[in-house]
Amino acid sequence: GENVEQHPSTLSVQEGDSAVIKCTYSDSASNYFPWYKQELGKGPQLIIDIRSNVGEKKDQRIAVTLNKTAKHFSLHITETQPEDSAVYFCAASNGGGADGLTFGKGTHLIIQP
Amino acid sequence: DADVTQTPRNRITKTGKRIMLECSQTKGHDRMYWYRQDPGLGLRLIYYSFDVKDINKGEISDGYSVSRQAQAKFSLSLESAIPNQTALYFCATSGPGANEQFFGPGTRLTVL
Repeated sequence: GENVEQHPSTLSVQEGDSAVIKCTYSDSASNYFPWYKQELGKGPQLIIDIRSNVGEKKDQRIAVTLNKTAKHFSLHITETQPEDSAVYFCAASNGGGADGLTFGKGTHLIIQP
Repeated sequence: DADVTQTPRNRITKTGKRIMLECSQTKGHDRMYWYRQDPGLGLRLIYYSFDVKDINKGEISDGYSVSRQAQAKFSLSLESAIPNQTALYFCATSGPGANEQFFGPGTRLTVL
């Protein structure tokens, strides 16, 4: 089955700086890669996703890049703000997510004022 | 009102007890999922369902069972709870042809 590795487990950045979280996956058939943000006491919420036929996708301060050859994808957050502090999860699926998602272990992002 | 609700939000039970966690959704989605979250381990898929007649095992289904009573309701049961089933449990839904999964607020289960 699919295995998703996520690094780092904790990331502390100064407010206004950029943050990068990296994930690798094992199943070359995976074709859907979402990123979820989980705030304390809440369920995960989708922030951005990318399909395997696209190399990069942006949404305001958030971007995701995908390297299919190397089987890794990354989340980039620019101009970080205090409300970006949360746990972020990457995930992968070979069925567009229909059969469920395989998640990474999460990254606790801390934005220092 | 929340689109995906879970009951109870917190539950403490004893080893050997049977317990049911319930999930309801008002999004009209056909696909529903149960995940388990453990500290430092991310979320792992327990079961998923495409409709009331379609139930599928996920990565860690042993020790769990599910029931899809209606399109809007998906329940997770622990027939005989054990301490290593202590975790945060999330229900999620997804619409036909859509990728995004919408998560409920979670149920924190403690098995003593």
